[in-house]
Amino acid sequence: KNEVEQSPQNLTAQEGEFITINCSYSVGISALHWLQQHPGGGIVSLFMLSSGKKKHGRLIATINIQEKHSSLHITASHPRDSAVYICAVMAGAQKLVFGQGTRLTINP
Amino acid sequence: DVKVTQSSRYLVKRTGEKVFLECVQDMDHENMFWYRQDPGLGLRLIYFSYDVKMKEKGDIPEGYSVSREKKERFSLILESASTNQTSMYLCASSPSGFGYTFGSGTRLTVV
Repeated sequence: KNEVEQSPQNLTAQEGEFITINCSYSVGISALHWLQQHPGGGIVSLFMLSSGKKKHGRLIATINIQEKHSSLHITASHPRDSAVYICAVMAGAQKLVFGQGTRLTINP
Repeated sequence: DVKVTQSSRYLVKRTGEKVFLECVQDMDHENMFWYRQDPGLGLRLIYFSYDVKMKEKGDIPEGYSVSREKKERFSLILESASTNQTSMYLCASSPSGFGYTFGSGTRLTVV
């Protein structure tokens, strides 16, 4: 079993829909990252969380340390949000453990 | 704007060649990392460095070596490239603390 599990693996939605991507982890962590990767592109760090909730534009990330769970929400989704979203946890020694990623496709 | 720059976006090399992938960061970060990304396997850590001339093996170091002679530069070396090293390679850096910055990636094809 992977230490970091994401769901769903693939998600297709219509423009304007509210999107939720989930991440569960089984190890103790000091921080959790949400990353975005566009096709053929590098990775952009969206959020780093150690507790609570963060918001940036239409993106919201939450984390529940007790339940070892985090969610990434996208409000009013747009085709340009289509990308792979990756959850990664910092489990120690500055090393990240990555989830498998969620491929999001937003259709116009 | 802070940056991690990988020297090549696409690279094609022949089996048996020695390959150098370069990564430079301009943020004075202590920690630098090399990952490879493969479909179905996600991102896997090859090597990382927490200081000049220091290196640590990651999860899949076999067939690779690294060099960090200056703080801003972290090189990944494939001593004798093989077809199973065809992959996307991503460099990242972080300060001692939190926060990662990733490069744009190098897509390496070994033929």
